[in-house]
This record gives sequence, C-alpha cells and structure tokens, in this order.
Amino acid sequence: EAQVTQNPRYLITVTGKKLTVTCSQNMNHEYMSWYRQDPGLGLRQIYYSMNVEVTDKGDVPEGYKVSRKEKRNFPLILESPSPNQTSLYFCASSLSGTGHGYEQYFGPGTRLTVT
Amino acid sequence: AQSVTQLDSQVPVFEEAPVELRCNYSSSVSVYLFWYVQYPNQGLQLLLKYLSGSTLVKGINGFEAEFNKSQTSFHLRKPSVHISDTAEYFCAVSENRDDKIIFGKGTRLHILP
Repeated sequence: EAQVTQNPRYLITVTGKKLTVTCSQNMNHEYMSWYRQDPGLGLRQIYYSMNVEVTDKGDVPEGYKVSRKEKRNFPLILESPSPNQTSLYFCASSLSGTGHGYEQYFGPGTRLTVT
Repeated sequence: AQSVTQLDSQVPVFEEAPVELRCNYSSSVSVYLFWYVQYPNQGLQLLLKYLSGSTLVKGINGFEAEFNKSQTSFHLRKPSVHISDTAEYFCAVSENRDDKIIFGKGTRLHILP
C-alpha cells in the first residue's frame, strides 16, 4: 500500500531533550516536506526537500533540522525542544515539487507535547 | 511572496444545503491552487487542484472550485452537503516553479442535521 508513515504518533518530552520524528514514504517520491499544525494558524511549512541531500527552509524553520540521506526518509530533528514547539506535525511527499503542481500525500501526524 | 486567506474559520450548514468555502490568494506570478480536506484525527488529502486551463475544477466527493484570476479567488463549492463532509478544509497556493507551498488557516465545515 502506498503510504507515508511517521513515528512516533504521540510523544511527550521535556524541554531541551533532543528528539527525532521519522518519516518514510514508499512511493519513490522526490519531494518531501514537514508541516506543523496549530489551532487558528493552519499548516505551516517547516522544511522541504526536492531530492537527496537537497533541503530548503519553509516558513517556520527555526528550532528544527532535517536531513535527506535516502530518498524514502526525511527525519525531523528537534535538537533542544521548547514548549512553543508543542504541535501536531505532518510529513508529506509528492512525485515532484508543488511548484510543478503535484499533489502531496500526507502522513497520519505526530502529536508532540513539550513540557 | 504568496499568501492565502480563508475568509471563514467556521461554516455551519444544514445537511443537503449548498455550501461555499472562500479562498483568496495573493501572488505576483502564476500559481497552482489546491484544496485539501482533513477529516477528524486524520492527515490531509487532496480534494482538487487548479493548474491551468478550464477555470472550473471538479474534485472528489462532489466538490468543485472556480479559479477567478481577476479576483484572485479559488472558492470551493458543493451543491448538497452530507454529514460525512464534516471536516476542516484547507486552501493552498504554490507559485509556478517555487516548491514552497502556503496553506490557509483552514475552514471548519459543520453539518447541521
């Protein structure tokens, strides 16, 4: 089944403790992206990647890191999480970039709470 | 830089009544426009998209949207809603050849019995 998977689905952590949220897709998509969803703010793009070793900042990259060492994986890293990073996170992938009109396929989401 | 405004944060509508969810965007270049739907406790999925050509775009589940370049709008419509349409709807814009995408803040559609 074609899908985007994220792990973990739920995570509660403490301020400053490094964490990684994994994202994997099995559709051989070139483009992958991370978003955060907050009430009243909709989805905001954190980082995106057009291909292996190519990443770019979205609208809210501060406090996050990403890497794209393999085409199928695009982990999101919070080196020193803070409470304002408490949010619902979505990973998405598409055949190519949204600038070419391709639709994105979204993962199920990861709910992160930082205390 | 592009931006997206969804004019209503919540829209209540009676079952079997028509609905319109409004979306306006701003951009100085040509754009691609998308509507995504998020059902409760799920990720987003594509409803429809406008790339070029006919300004009336048909999507899944009976939804359609009309691209209006002069008014920079991409409103979503359905002639008769069902309880299963209860969800949050997001409009998104991506500029041609720019792979950054901007989402609106979302519109919650409440279907009243």
